[in-house]
Amino acid sequence: GQQVMQIPQYQHVQEGEDFTTYCNSSTTLSNIQWYKQRPGGHPVFLIQLVKSGEVKKQKRLTFQFGEAKKNSSLHITATQTTDVGTYFCARRGTTGTASKLTFGTGTRLQVTL
Amino acid sequence: DGGITQSPKYLFRKEGQNVTLSCEQNLNHDAMYWYRQDPGQGLRLIYYSQIVNDFQKGDIAEGYSVSREKKESFPLTVTSAQKNPTAFYLCASSSHDRGGQYFGPGTRLTVT
Repeated sequence: GQQVMQIPQYQHVQEGEDFTTYCNSSTTLSNIQWYKQRPGGHPVFLIQLVKSGEVKKQKRLTFQFGEAKKNSSLHITATQTTDVGTYFCARRGTTGTASKLTFGTGTRLQVTL
Repeated sequence: DGGITQSPKYLFRKEGQNVTLSCEQNLNHDAMYWYRQDPGQGLRLIYYSQIVNDFQKGDIAEGYSVSREKKESFPLTVTSAQKNPTAFYLCASSSHDRGGQYFGPGTRLTVT
């Protein structure tokens, strides 16, 4: 399937520092979704981005979709210990397989006091 | 309470046995999915179903089978042909093929 690469694989920050994870594709994305998975838990849907250059905010989380629709980012301002987990981006399949999501490799965030 | 349930949470089986994992949703979602997650890894799609009585193979369908006889239910059978069945299995559903997916709590399967 078509891959989405996420960087970094892992990041360790002090509480209060900012954090950003990036999702990159070699082909144009119809849309991109973001999920968060707490340790030992299941993925939770955060947001979907559809439009070129789109920016959406959820409290301290800012999601961006690149102008060329080939990359996306999730930025967390002033991290808290509740932000710990793995953040995944996911791309949709093409026409006919639109249900199918391909998940990125994920970025594991560790936050310490 | 609306949601997705998976049972059991932990499952232990001997090698060579088939095992069926349950997934039920009362969200009235049309689409349902099964993923496999290995330690420290991302999610890989096993099978998905967009409507009742229809399903498609995902990226790693070999050694697995599914059925979708009811809208609410999408059980996954891990057969003895699956070479490395020990993993965390996640079921998800979505209201249409373009929305976010909602995941159940998962089943951790250990085969020895």
